[in-house]
Amino acid sequence: AQKVTQAQTEISVVEKEDVTLDCVYETRDTTYYLFWYKQPPSGELVFLIRRNSFDEQNEISGRYSWNFQKSTSSFNFTITASQVVDSAVYFCALSEARYSSASKIIFGSGTRLSIRP
Amino acid sequence: GAGVSQSPSNKVTEKGKDVELRCDPISGHTALYWYRQSLGQGLEFLIYFQGNSAPDKSGLPSDRFSAERTGGSVSTLTIQRTQQEDSAVYLCASSLSGTGEYFGAGTRLSVL
Repeated sequence: AQKVTQAQTEISVVEKEDVTLDCVYETRDTTYYLFWYKQPPSGELVFLIRRNSFDEQNEISGRYSWNFQKSTSSFNFTITASQVVDSAVYFCALSEARYSSASKIIFGSGTRLSIRP
Repeated sequence: GAGVSQSPSNKVTEKGKDVELRCDPISGHTALYWYRQSLGQGLEFLIYFQGNSAPDKSGLPSDRFSAERTGGSVSTLTIQRTQQEDSAVYLCASSLSGTGEYFGAGTRLSVL
Protein backbone atom coordinates (compact mmCIF):
# COMPACT_ATOMS: atom_id res chain seq x y z
CA ALA A 1 0.00 0.00 0.00
CA GLN A 2 1.10 3.55 -0.59
CA LYS A 3 1.57 5.94 2.28
CA VAL A 4 3.03 9.41 2.78
CA THR A 5 4.08 10.60 6.21
CA GLN A 6 4.74 14.20 7.12
CA ALA A 7 5.68 13.94 10.76
CA GLN A 8 5.89 17.69 11.32
CA THR A 9 2.36 18.99 11.78
CA GLU A 10 3.40 22.59 12.44
CA ILE A 11 6.63 24.54 12.11
CA SER A 12 7.20 28.16 13.06
CA VAL A 13 10.39 30.04 12.24
CA VAL A 14 11.52 33.62 12.07
CA GLU A 15 11.83 35.24 8.68
CA LYS A 16 15.13 34.63 6.86
CA GLU A 17 15.73 31.32 8.62
CA ASP A 18 16.11 28.18 6.55
CA VAL A 19 13.50 25.49 7.12
CA THR A 20 13.21 21.88 5.99
CA LEU A 21 9.93 20.03 5.65
CA ASP A 22 10.24 16.28 5.94
CA CYS A 23 8.44 13.70 3.83
CA VAL A 24 8.77 9.93 4.08
CA TYR A 25 6.90 7.61 1.76
CA GLU A 26 6.06 3.94 1.38
CA THR A 27 5.30 2.20 -1.88
CA ARG A 28 5.71 -1.18 -3.52
CA ASP A 29 5.75 0.36 -6.97
CA THR A 30 9.05 0.28 -8.81
CA THR A 31 8.29 3.52 -10.57
CA TYR A 32 6.46 6.37 -8.96
CA TYR A 33 6.16 10.11 -8.76
CA LEU A 34 6.66 12.34 -5.76
CA PHE A 35 5.12 15.79 -5.45
CA TRP A 36 5.07 18.86 -3.28
CA TYR A 37 2.14 21.25 -3.15
CA LYS A 38 1.62 24.53 -1.34
CA GLN A 39 -1.75 25.58 0.07
CA PRO A 40 -1.68 29.24 1.12
CA PRO A 41 -4.40 30.75 3.32
CA SER A 42 -6.44 31.45 0.20
CA GLY A 43 -6.96 27.70 -0.02
CA GLU A 44 -5.95 26.93 -3.60
CA LEU A 45 -3.38 24.17 -4.00
CA VAL A 46 -0.30 25.21 -5.92
CA PHE A 47 1.84 22.60 -7.65
CA LEU A 48 5.53 23.03 -6.78
CA ILE A 49 7.38 20.01 -8.11
CA ARG A 50 7.07 16.48 -9.45
CA ARG A 51 9.97 14.04 -9.24
CA ASN A 52 10.23 10.70 -11.04
CA SER A 53 11.60 7.85 -8.94
CA PHE A 54 14.34 7.27 -11.52
CA ASP A 55 15.70 10.74 -11.00
CA GLU A 56 17.45 11.16 -7.67
CA GLN A 57 19.15 14.39 -8.55
CA ASN A 58 18.44 17.17 -6.13
CA GLU A 59 16.63 20.14 -7.55
CA ILE A 60 16.88 23.82 -6.76
CA SER A 61 14.43 26.49 -7.81
CA GLY A 62 15.24 29.88 -6.38
CA ARG A 63 14.91 29.63 -2.60
CA TYR A 64 13.34 26.17 -2.84
CA SER A 65 15.29 22.92 -2.98
CA TRP A 66 14.32 19.29 -2.82
CA ASN A 67 16.37 16.35 -1.59
CA PHE A 68 15.22 12.96 -2.88
CA GLN A 69 16.83 9.92 -1.26
CA LYS A 70 15.51 6.56 -2.36
CA SER A 71 17.62 4.74 0.23
CA THR A 72 15.65 6.37 3.04
CA SER A 73 12.39 6.81 1.09
CA SER A 74 12.47 10.51 1.74
CA PHE A 75 11.71 13.57 -0.33
CA ASN A 76 12.47 16.60 1.83
CA PHE A 77 11.79 20.20 0.94
CA THR A 78 13.97 23.10 2.08
CA ILE A 79 13.14 26.78 1.93
CA THR A 80 16.19 29.02 2.21
CA ALA A 81 15.93 32.51 3.67
CA SER A 82 12.23 32.07 4.41
CA GLN A 83 9.77 34.89 3.87
CA VAL A 84 6.37 35.65 5.36
CA VAL A 85 4.77 34.80 2.00
CA ASP A 86 6.01 31.24 2.41
CA SER A 87 3.49 30.75 5.22
CA ALA A 88 1.17 27.98 4.08
CA VAL A 89 0.36 24.33 4.48
CA TYR A 90 2.70 22.15 2.44
CA PHE A 91 1.68 18.72 1.22
CA CYS A 92 3.91 15.92 0.02
CA ALA A 93 2.26 13.37 -2.28
CA LEU A 94 2.95 10.12 -4.11
CA SER A 95 1.52 8.36 -7.14
CA GLU A 96 2.36 5.32 -9.20
CA ALA A 97 3.97 6.23 -12.49
CA ARG A 98 2.18 4.72 -15.46
CA TYR A 99 3.03 5.26 -19.07
CA SER A 100 0.55 7.68 -20.63
CA SER A 101 -2.12 7.29 -17.98
CA ALA A 102 -2.94 8.66 -14.60
CA SER A 103 -3.12 7.05 -11.20
CA LYS A 104 -4.41 8.30 -7.91
CA ILE A 105 -2.29 10.62 -5.83
CA ILE A 106 -1.86 9.91 -2.15
CA PHE A 107 -1.26 12.97 0.01
CA GLY A 108 0.46 13.33 3.34
CA SER A 109 -1.38 15.10 6.14
CA GLY A 110 0.49 18.34 5.52
CA THR A 111 2.86 20.58 7.44
CA ARG A 112 1.64 24.02 8.48
CA LEU A 113 4.53 26.46 8.11
CA SER A 114 4.36 29.85 9.78
CA ILE A 115 7.01 32.45 9.08
CA ARG A 116 7.14 35.19 11.72
CA PRO A 117 8.38 38.65 10.72
CA GLY B 1 -9.96 28.13 -19.82
CA ALA B 2 -6.60 28.87 -18.35
CA GLY B 3 -7.06 26.79 -15.21
CA VAL B 4 -9.29 24.22 -13.56
CA SER B 5 -12.68 25.73 -12.90
CA GLN B 6 -15.08 24.48 -10.24
CA SER B 7 -18.65 25.52 -9.60
CA PRO B 8 -20.29 26.52 -7.45
CA SER B 9 -17.57 28.00 -5.26
CA ASN B 10 -19.84 27.68 -2.24
CA LYS B 11 -22.87 25.50 -1.68
CA VAL B 12 -25.11 25.45 1.35
CA THR B 13 -27.69 22.70 1.47
CA GLU B 14 -30.01 21.02 3.88
CA LYS B 15 -29.41 17.55 5.18
CA GLY B 16 -31.04 14.99 2.92
CA LYS B 17 -30.85 17.05 -0.28
CA ASP B 18 -28.84 16.04 -3.34
CA VAL B 19 -26.02 18.25 -4.64
CA GLU B 20 -24.01 18.37 -7.85
CA LEU B 21 -20.52 19.76 -8.02
CA ARG B 22 -18.98 20.59 -11.36
CA CYS B 23 -15.39 20.58 -12.58
CA ASP B 24 -14.07 22.00 -15.85
CA PRO B 25 -10.51 20.75 -16.33
CA ILE B 26 -7.74 22.44 -18.26
CA SER B 27 -8.41 21.96 -21.96
CA GLY B 28 -6.69 18.84 -23.26
CA HIS B 29 -5.99 17.32 -19.87
CA THR B 30 -6.87 13.64 -19.99
CA ALA B 31 -6.78 12.89 -16.28
CA LEU B 32 -9.21 14.36 -13.76
CA TYR B 33 -9.24 13.85 -10.00
CA TRP B 34 -11.67 14.55 -7.16
CA TYR B 35 -10.48 15.06 -3.61
CA ARG B 36 -12.14 16.08 -0.38
CA GLN B 37 -10.57 18.24 2.29
CA SER B 38 -12.27 18.56 5.64
CA LEU B 39 -11.52 21.59 7.80
CA GLY B 40 -7.86 21.61 8.80
CA GLN B 41 -7.28 18.16 7.36
CA GLY B 42 -5.32 16.68 4.50
CA LEU B 43 -6.66 15.64 1.13
CA GLU B 44 -8.77 12.53 0.85
CA PHE B 45 -8.77 10.87 -2.57
CA LEU B 46 -12.25 10.19 -3.96
CA ILE B 47 -11.99 9.16 -7.61
CA TYR B 48 -10.02 9.78 -10.75
CA PHE B 49 -10.83 9.61 -14.44
CA GLN B 50 -8.61 8.73 -17.36
CA GLY B 51 -10.64 10.06 -20.26
CA ASN B 52 -14.23 9.16 -19.44
CA SER B 53 -13.32 6.02 -17.53
CA ALA B 54 -12.89 5.83 -13.77
CA PRO B 55 -10.27 3.12 -13.10
CA ASP B 56 -10.25 3.81 -9.39
CA LYS B 57 -13.38 4.64 -7.41
CA SER B 58 -12.00 3.25 -4.19
CA GLY B 59 -12.07 6.56 -2.39
CA LEU B 60 -15.79 7.24 -2.71
CA PRO B 61 -17.01 7.20 0.91
CA SER B 62 -20.38 5.56 0.27
CA ASP B 63 -22.88 4.72 -2.42
CA ARG B 64 -24.37 8.17 -1.95
CA PHE B 65 -21.38 9.50 -3.88
CA SER B 66 -21.06 9.15 -7.64
CA ALA B 67 -19.15 10.89 -10.39
CA GLU B 68 -19.17 10.98 -14.12
CA ARG B 69 -17.17 12.57 -16.87
CA THR B 70 -18.42 13.20 -20.36
CA GLY B 71 -16.57 14.00 -23.56
CA GLY B 72 -13.26 13.65 -21.77
CA SER B 73 -13.85 17.05 -20.28
CA VAL B 74 -16.38 18.21 -17.68
CA SER B 75 -16.95 16.09 -14.60
CA THR B 76 -19.80 16.12 -12.11
CA LEU B 77 -19.60 14.80 -8.56
CA THR B 78 -23.03 14.02 -7.14
CA ILE B 79 -23.80 13.51 -3.49
CA GLN B 80 -27.23 12.12 -2.73
CA ARG B 81 -29.08 12.53 0.56
CA THR B 82 -26.33 14.75 1.98
CA GLN B 83 -25.26 14.33 5.59
CA GLN B 84 -23.53 16.81 7.86
CA GLU B 85 -20.30 14.81 7.68
CA ASP B 86 -20.22 15.53 3.93
CA SER B 87 -19.38 19.15 4.73
CA ALA B 88 -15.92 19.83 3.30
CA VAL B 89 -14.10 21.48 0.44
CA TYR B 90 -14.28 19.35 -2.69
CA LEU B 91 -11.25 19.82 -4.90
CA CYS B 92 -10.85 18.89 -8.52
CA ALA B 93 -7.53 18.54 -10.34
CA SER B 94 -6.53 17.75 -13.89
CA SER B 95 -3.33 16.70 -15.58
CA LEU B 96 -1.78 15.64 -18.83
CA SER B 97 0.63 12.72 -18.51
CA GLY B 98 4.09 14.09 -17.94
CA THR B 99 2.98 17.27 -16.21
CA GLY B 100 1.95 18.23 -12.73
CA GLU B 101 -1.55 18.06 -11.37
CA TYR B 102 -3.34 21.39 -11.35
CA PHE B 103 -6.06 22.06 -8.82
CA GLY B 104 -9.17 24.18 -8.94
CA ALA B 105 -10.16 26.54 -6.14
CA GLY B 106 -12.65 24.01 -4.81
CA THR B 107 -16.30 23.94 -3.84
CA ARG B 108 -17.02 24.55 -0.18
CA LEU B 109 -20.01 22.41 0.76
CA SER B 110 -21.90 23.09 3.95
CA VAL B 111 -24.65 20.70 4.97
CA LEU B 112 -26.97 22.14 7.60
